[in-house]
Amino acid sequence: NAGVTQTPKFRVLKTGQSMTLLCAQDMNHEYMYWYRQDPGMGLRLIHYSVGEGTTAKGEVPDGYNVSRLKKQNFLLGLESAAPSQTSVYFCASSYSRQAGYEQYFGPGTRLTVT
Amino acid sequence: AQKVTQAQTEISVVEKEDVTLDCVYETRDTTYYLFWYKQPPSGELVFLIRRNSFDEQNEISGRYSWNFQKSTSSFNFTITASQVVDSAVYFCALSRGPLVYGGSQGNLIFGKGTKLSVKP
Repeated sequence: NAGVTQTPKFRVLKTGQSMTLLCAQDMNHEYMYWYRQDPGMGLRLIHYSVGEGTTAKGEVPDGYNVSRLKKQNFLLGLESAAPSQTSVYFCASSYSRQAGYEQYFGPGTRLTVT
Repeated sequence: AQKVTQAQTEISVVEKEDVTLDCVYETRDTTYYLFWYKQPPSGELVFLIRRNSFDEQNEISGRYSWNFQKSTSSFNFTITASQVVDSAVYFCALSRGPLVYGGSQGNLIFGKGTKLSVKP
C-alpha cells in the first residue's frame, strides 16, 4: 500500500496563477483532509470531506476550493494564488465517521507563491 | 471552542536527558480524543499515540510515556533518555467525540508544536 500520496512535491507559482494539488489514498478511507502548515502556526485545517461527493470548510478555507469526485482522491485548488498561500500543504485521511481514528498524512507539498 | 496550547516553542537537551513536552487543551465536549504526532526534519507527520477522554491511564511505549490528566486538561509527553533521533517537532492535537453533530468529529485541532533538539 502506498498510503497517502500527494502530487506535486514542490511547486513555485506566480501571483494570480492557478493550480491543483492532488491527494490520493489507497486505504479506502471515508474521511480526507487538507491542512496547511506555516512556521510557528502548527497545522490548520483548510477543507475536509466526509465521503465521496461531499466537502466542508475547515478553519482557513478562503482562497481554496476542493473536490472529492472519487473516494480515493481529494483535490485542492487555488484559483488565483497569493503570496499568503506560500506554505506546506498536507493531505490526510482517516477511517469512518467515528472520531478517534488517527489520521494518516501524506508527505506534503511545498508551495511558494512569488 | 477547542484549543490546544503547547507553551514550549523550543527545547534543547543533551542526549540521555529526560524531557517533557507539555500540552494543555480546551474543550466543552465530554468525549474527545487527544493525539501526539512527530514531525522529523524530513517533514512527514508520524502518529505516536491516541487517547480518548474516558481513559486516563498513563501509557508507556519504550522510552516514550504520556500523562493524561483531565483535572488539569493536560496531556504531557515524556521522552526518557533522549537520543539524537528524537530531534523533531512534536504536535499535540485534539479531536471532537463521535456524538458531535455535523460531521466534524474527525477534524484535528493542532497545537503550534514544540521543536525538540537533542544534542550529542
